[in-house]
Amino acid sequence: KAGVTQTPRYLIKTRGQQVTLSCSPISGHRSVSWYQQTPGQGLQFLFEYFSETQRNKGNFPGRFSGRQFSNSRSEMNVSTLELGDSALYLCASSVRTAGSPLHFGNGTRLTVT
Amino acid sequence: AQTVTQSQPEMSVQEAETVTLSCTYDTSESDYYLFWYKQPPSRQMILVIRQEAYKQQNATENRFSVNFQKAAKSFSLKISDSQLGDAAMYFCAYRRGSNAGNMLTFGGGTRLMVKP
Repeated sequence: KAGVTQTPRYLIKTRGQQVTLSCSPISGHRSVSWYQQTPGQGLQFLFEYFSETQRNKGNFPGRFSGRQFSNSRSEMNVSTLELGDSALYLCASSVRTAGSPLHFGNGTRLTVT
Repeated sequence: AQTVTQSQPEMSVQEAETVTLSCTYDTSESDYYLFWYKQPPSRQMILVIRQEAYKQQNATENRFSVNFQKAAKSFSLKISDSQLGDAAMYFCAYRRGSNAGNMLTFGGGTRLMVKP
């Protein structure tokens, strides 16, 4: 079974631009979560989607948004990029039953210059 | 809000020896799950072990085992017979119980170095 696939692996953007990251979950997984990892703040939860609906949201500004498609693939978008948005963005998928583990992708490394 | 604390930023162990990574958490809930994830240089977070709070028995996965002390809110990871491939960042994570979604709260991580 293929794992969680995130594209692209690396991205360099300029301040003020917007960016879209993609995540394809493991087949059969309907829950997709996004996390931001930085050296200063560590791993922080962004949001979770299940069956195309946002179910949980972390404490991030409205510039961070996401969506999920009917095939469970998810995208996250960051508008008006700031230098502080430079991070590793990790996507995780799950079957979302109680206690089921999250399976993570390799992440997208975003650098904002 | 839940918090997870890993007090050891770095740990070192000799190959074939045993090492214990510490994790404490704070929650007012009784139903929750705890996890240890490993993140090698490849960046992918790999699940090492998980523990359901309602289970008193400590979880074990091959060379990896936990010491879950619910009253003390402590969840340490023991790695036996350490191997070079165990070198990585290790993250302790907390998740609320049933129907609470997939929001994980992570600790700050412990970098484990394995000496040959």
